[in-house]
Amino acid sequence: AQSVTQLDSQVPVFEEAPVELRCNYSSSVSVYLFWYVQYPNQGLQLLLKYLSGSTLVKGINGFEAEFNKSQTSFHLRKPSVHISDTAEYFCAVTTLGFQKLVFGTGTRLLVSP
Amino acid sequence: NAGVTQTPKFRVLKTGQSMTLLCAQDMNHEYMYWYRQDPGMGLRLIHYSVGEGTTAKGEVPDGYNVSRLKKQNFLLGLESAAPSQTSVYFCASSQGGDVNTEAFFGQGTRLTVV
Repeated sequence: AQSVTQLDSQVPVFEEAPVELRCNYSSSVSVYLFWYVQYPNQGLQLLLKYLSGSTLVKGINGFEAEFNKSQTSFHLRKPSVHISDTAEYFCAVTTLGFQKLVFGTGTRLLVSP
Repeated sequence: NAGVTQTPKFRVLKTGQSMTLLCAQDMNHEYMYWYRQDPGMGLRLIHYSVGEGTTAKGEVPDGYNVSRLKKQNFLLGLESAAPSQTSVYFCASSQGGDVNTEAFFGQGTRLTVV
């Protein structure tokens, strides 16, 4: 069975600074990887996903992630964050479909002025 | 376009009481899902449905029942609530189970069992 590890439960950063949110996965077969964002009191929204092809995936709101098969990682990056990026970010993995989607424990991104 | 709507948004139950959470989607999606979100544990799948009249167990189904009598609605029932069921519940839907589609999430229901 697959699993996901988000090592950082909380990441504080100043506005306009770069940020990286780390995600590592384990699976014995090929995976599909996702990043979701959850703004306060809202549901999850898809940021980006890796299904196949280019290992650098660009998403909404200026975020991007790189799939690294050898390191089994799918880290999320943004070169310059805004206050409005304050939210919780979830990495997720599946080897089949959404009914087998496994979520990480989440990383809370706190952007301060 | 409402997307995925969950009712109610908040609820407090006493131990042993029952309740039903309603999830409604207006996107004509085939697949629907119920998750619970607990601190430090991420989202875990409770039950899901691949079409009207069908349901299947997810990772943490015990203590919950579901029904999908109409395509647009997916109900989650707690027959005898327990404090361990205090959580935030999210419903989601997708056109198919394939990852080439996208799953859309509701805003959540915060349930407290005292």
